[in-house]
Amino acid sequence: EADIYQTPRYLVIGTGKKITLECSQTMGHDKMYWYQQDPGMELHLIHYSYGVNSTEKGDLSSESTVSRIRTEHFPLTLESARPSHTSQYLCASSELSGLGENTEAFFGQGTRLTVV
Amino acid sequence: SQQGEEDPQALSIQEGENATMNCSYKTSINNLQWYRQNSGRGLVHLILIRSNEREKHSGRLRVTLDTSKKSSSLLITASRAADTASYFCATDMNTGFQKLVFGTGTRLLVSP
Repeated sequence: EADIYQTPRYLVIGTGKKITLECSQTMGHDKMYWYQQDPGMELHLIHYSYGVNSTEKGDLSSESTVSRIRTEHFPLTLESARPSHTSQYLCASSELSGLGENTEAFFGQGTRLTVV
Repeated sequence: SQQGEEDPQALSIQEGENATMNCSYKTSINNLQWYRQNSGRGLVHLILIRSNEREKHSGRLRVTLDTSKKSSSLLITASRAADTASYFCATDMNTGFQKLVFGTGTRLLVSP
């Protein structure tokens, strides 16, 4: 069973509010990811991290920001939520093999965000 | 655009039949992984195949990889209603910054 947790599971919030989506893992993985997924659609990588104090933007431009102050914690923040941010956000973590390749990724259950 | 594209986008079969899903990608990879997603949930890892492997089995799953064609297939044999889910391939790109990029997914419906 994966030890990666996302909170909240569901969030409905008004336009203009600041929100933080939490993601924590207890596996000691260095690599962590945030994906955005609309219902029935593909996953888009929006942020990733190689370790503490390392963050990179993904393939899909996002107005969100992330931080990685601790290995186990990779929160995502939206300073001013808008209806266009309504989506499902999935957090994942993985580790590198001895050959430097990505091994399997473990996913949280996701946060379904609705901005009204 | 996404690294991986899968076809078909949707597949509907009867229990007991085999289901085959295909994944194509664009750039050099270290490995390719297949994941399953039940509706509205997180993804669960199924199987990983490395770039120097051609075929891999896990229970009722069979994965093939053809690096010359930049494609992979996932075969689920003797499908069950519980196999109903979306299936995604993910490529570990062999670039300076290694990241896991997912395909577009295949929605599989297995009817009793």
